[in-house]
Amino acid sequence: EAGVAQSPRYKIIEKRQSVAFWCNPISGHATLYWYQQILGQGPKLLIQFQNNGVVDDSQLPKDRFSAERLKGVDSTLKIQPAKLEDSAVYLCASSIRPSGQGNIQYFGAGTRLSVL
Amino acid sequence: KNEVEQSPQNLTAQEGEFITINCSYSVGISALHWLQQHPGGGIVSLFMLSSGKKKHGRLIATINIQEKHSSLHITASHPRDSAVYICAANFGNEKLTFGTGTRLTIIP
Repeated sequence: EAGVAQSPRYKIIEKRQSVAFWCNPISGHATLYWYQQILGQGPKLLIQFQNNGVVDDSQLPKDRFSAERLKGVDSTLKIQPAKLEDSAVYLCASSIRPSGQGNIQYFGAGTRLSVL
Repeated sequence: KNEVEQSPQNLTAQEGEFITINCSYSVGISALHWLQQHPGGGIVSLFMLSSGKKKHGRLIATINIQEKHSSLHITASHPRDSAVYICAANFGNEKLTFGTGTRLTIIP
């Protein structure tokens, strides 16, 4: 079974530039999560999708971050414009059903973003 | 406030030693997860438990609901076990709350 695919693996940009990350979850997984993990900290949930609808985006900085999952399969996360404090690893995860129902989340390898 | 705390933050041990990583949480949970993160970022789920004890190979996870505490044990530790181990909890809703992780280094 293929895992969660993310691209790119690494990205270096200058502040105020735009960047986009892509995630393809495990086939059949209805729930998709985007996390931000700053060095030395645990992952922080940015947004959770159930199929193509948003379940939780309470911690997404909506003035600069956006995410979509138009067909309920793969998803993109965009930052526009980037700030220095956005430097982090961006993790995508998926699960068959929402995690609170006792389902394991499967994580991608992450995209390491450096904003200079 | 939903919180997950881990200890120690860093742990260095010799190959073969028995390892214990601790996790405590603030209020009642529906599930407790142990995750492993290797350099490079990828995270692997090791255990999900809501009571008792689970074992997989040299890894053992236990949880004490009354004490709001969980432990991850590694027997006969090996350098390939070197990673960051993260405890995370579902506090009744769907969102996982993560601890800050324990960086484990096993020296040959």
